[in-house]
Amino acid sequence: QVRLVESGGGLVKPGGSLRLSCEGSGFMFKDYYMSWIRQAPGKGLEWVSYIDYGGSTIHYADSVKGRFTISRDNTKNSLFLQMNSLRPEDTAVYYCARGYSLAHWGQGTLVAVSS
Amino acid sequence: EIVMTQTPHFLSVAPGQPASISCKSSQSLLYRDGKTYLFWYLQKAGQSPQLLMYEVSNRISGVPDRISGSGSGTEFTLLISRVEAEDVGVYYCMQGLELYSFGQGTKLEIK
Repeated sequence: QVRLVESGGGLVKPGGSLRLSCEGSGFMFKDYYMSWIRQAPGKGLEWVSYIDYGGSTIHYADSVKGRFTISRDNTKNSLFLQMNSLRPEDTAVYYCARGYSLAHWGQGTLVAVSS
Repeated sequence: EIVMTQTPHFLSVAPGQPASISCKSSQSLLYRDGKTYLFWYLQKAGQSPQLLMYEVSNRISGVPDRISGSGSGTEFTLLISRVEAEDVGVYYCMQGLELYSFGQGTKLEIK
């Protein structure tokens, strides 16, 4: 079955960096758009970024543009999110999701930005 | 940016009674391919969101037919005809026409 597993979250100081990973299994990873969505504690969902099949089309939410970089490695069925210049307001659970309809989500990884 | 507005933010419904959630978009979600890019998700406590409905009214496999989606253009509704305990959680609408954006969420509890 489709499985998405995020990793790489943790506690980081403001201004710091973190790299999240999402490994997919149970489907042809290279055939799907992939997205990152985040959820601040007790808050709603916020789309962060998406990348097309080969990485040629990429979009970001304004809130992360210039600080976050999405990428993928189809040979390793993996999606990444490099997060730089982190701010306290980036604190959230980060989910990866598959396809244009976000039909499948991982369990999420928690990123906490605090001094 | 397309803004999604959901109402109400909170619903308390007795078992067997109907529940309705409204979602309005700041611009039409109808694309030139004839599809309307409006989706519904449910997030149960402690879980990741799960897709319930795509393109307004198409149920994902396993979603009971007492849950239905309707609407067009900028106004959409998710209707649960008879609420059951398993329906508890937070419901989100989302547009996928221009990037993605979510409604604020509607928390459904059983009275």
